[in-house]
Amino acid sequence: DIPMTQSPSSLSASVGDRITITCRASQSISTYLHWYQQKPGKAPKLLIYAASSLQSGVPSRFSGSGSGTDFTLTISSLQLEDFATYYCQQSYSLPPTFGQGTKVEIK
Amino acid sequence: QLQLQESGSGLVKPSQTLSLTCAVSGASITSGGYSWSWIRQTPGKGLEWIAYIYYSGTTYYNPSLKSRVTISIDTSQNQFSLKMNSVSAADTAVYYCARANNWNYPFDYWGQGTLVTVSS
Repeated sequence: DIPMTQSPSSLSASVGDRITITCRASQSISTYLHWYQQKPGKAPKLLIYAASSLQSGVPSRFSGSGSGTDFTLTISSLQLEDFATYYCQQSYSLPPTFGQGTKVEIK
Repeated sequence: QLQLQESGSGLVKPSQTLSLTCAVSGASITSGGYSWSWIRQTPGKGLEWIAYIYYSGTTYYNPSLKSRVTISIDTSQNQFSLKMNSVSAADTAVYYCARANNWNYPFDYWGQGTLVTVSS
């Protein structure tokens, strides 16, 4: 298994803020890294795939970067609907593994 | 629009077998080279991938659960299923079914999830 470590575990921010979430893999995973958003009681929703590609329908304020072992998810201007928990996931090798999540809360 | 819908036993007794089905609508489960997965979520362990299956019947299991899990597919019913035996309280979780373009792609479609509680 490839453990995925996200930081921070939680953060408080205000509407309009720029935030960055980090995901680190225990070994190189090239760009086989994806980001999901999850709201309470809902399934995760794919936001970014292959480290930096925006899923269809996802607002452009979301962006991803990185390769190898270190990746970031950035929200350029936080909106009310963005308060949620975010997960990274690697698909470089089986089994697929997820980060522990980063909860974005309203300051 | 593709939709996935989980159904099955919501309450299972310890040591018994958990059974879940994911009904796929909006597309044939045999179209494309998609992998169909089960993923679960617990407050303690977070998101944990369980297994995948292709319409051909090819499967892969998470080694941590492999001894207790069976995934199967029913192309005539456009659905796939999960069975997990010898369950314990640690298997209490929200179980999701999901699709990926292939095993090394992200999960682009998810069911809404179903809570399974293991309790006597």
